[in-house]
Amino acid sequence: DTGVSQDPRHKITKRGQNVTFRCDPISEHNRLYWYRQTLGQGPEFLTYFQNEAQLEKSRLLSDRFSAERPKGSFSTLEIQRTEQGDSAMYLCASSRPGLGNTIYFGEGSWLTVV
Amino acid sequence: GQQVMQIPQYQHVQEGEDFTTYCNSSTTLSNIQWYKQRPGGHPVFLIQLVKSGEVKKQKRLTFQFGEAKKNSSLHITATQTTDVGTYFCAGKSGAAGNKLTFGGGTRVLVKP
Repeated sequence: DTGVSQDPRHKITKRGQNVTFRCDPISEHNRLYWYRQTLGQGPEFLTYFQNEAQLEKSRLLSDRFSAERPKGSFSTLEIQRTEQGDSAMYLCASSRPGLGNTIYFGEGSWLTVV
Repeated sequence: GQQVMQIPQYQHVQEGEDFTTYCNSSTTLSNIQWYKQRPGGHPVFLIQLVKSGEVKKQKRLTFQFGEAKKNSSLHITATQTTDVGTYFCAGKSGAAGNKLTFGGGTRVLVKP
């Protein structure tokens, strides 16, 4: 399978706990994106990496959220001190460099905070 | 900031009928992309439009980019049950960098 891979697919956690999601992009893609999607809404941009550099970050990404892509390959998204409002699907996507290149999404990581 | 709106939010279609969903951006777009998300699934890329007034077809789906590059439409003919899902448009503007801004989607239900 050469698509975008996300792990875990589902996570249930108690409020206040930390969670981490991992994304493995398509191998030749140097751009990586994180989006968040709640039920009935479109995906909302969180952050964007080109190689290992985090180039854009949404105001939605509070101080409790941090994303890394240390070697320019896989990426992690950590949420500290989770709140019920963090319950959502966290989508990772990747693309080749250049303008207008197609963004390919992974299957998402569902987070439920109880 | 940039906003992308889609109408209608819901579309109930009789199998075999045609329908159109519309996408409007608050800013001029460099390109627009359309995605389909099946229930419980993830967004899957359908097509990208770049040029003003561009029209592209994929079998029963026709995509159009407005002359001012601020709106787009998706027209589906002879709807089938396999068309069920949510259709999202997503736009990229020069000022937004590499961020794609998604609309709220049109949820399509097909009545057999």
